Amino acid sequence: AQSVTQPDIHITVSEGASLELRCNYSYGATPYLFWYVQSPGQGLQLLLKYFSGDTLVQGIKGFEAEFKRSQSSFNLRKPSVHWSDAAEYFCAVATTSGTYKYIFGTGTRLKVLA
Amino acid sequence: DSGVTQTPKHLITATGQRVTLRCSPRSGDLSVYWYQQSLDQGLQFLIQYYNGEERAKGNILERFSAQQFPDLHSELNLSSLELGDSALYFCASSGGATDTQYFGPGTRLTVL
Repeated sequence: AQSVTQPDIHITVSEGASLELRCNYSYGATPYLFWYVQSPGQGLQLLLKYFSGDTLVQGIKGFEAEFKRSQSSFNLRKPSVHWSDAAEYFCAVATTSGTYKYIFGTGTRLKVLA
Repeated sequence: DSGVTQTPKHLITATGQRVTLRCSPRSGDLSVYWYQQSLDQGLQFLIQYYNGEERAKGNILERFSAQQFPDLHSELNLSSLELGDSALYFCASSGGATDTQYFGPGTRLTVL
């Protein structure tokens, strides 16, 4: 069955530190991959997406993610975190065979220390 | 701002009641998706409509139904409400049936 795992429920980093949020997926075919961010009380905002091609994708707000097929991973990174990055981050896989739908991970809540 | 609008922002109602949530997709988008976000279940896909037709179903209860109208807005109807239906309900839209989804701000439903 298709699934998305975000192993870290909570992550705390200091402002200015680098960040990596992990995402692993289980899906038989080539997936479409996404990262969304949700601030408290807000909807989900698309950070970046991977469909094909270059495995390192750049997104908004200085985020990037790297697709590693051999590891079934799509980790999100940012070289220097800002206090405004505190939010919940969701990784999602879109199933491309059969019914097209998103499967979301359980989310990682990021806390940024001043 | 994603361009997807949802009304109302908040809804408080009682068990056994029926409510309707409304979603207007981004201009030109033909696909609308509904999701439920709760603390214990996370983000769950409920249903997708594409150009007025039901396209895919997820974990949608029989008490819930949806439709997409000719002007492409969509409504999610929740009936015989239970305490456990309290959640954030998100609508998302995409241009085609398999494109990137853009999410609305959500409707927070509280069932008392």
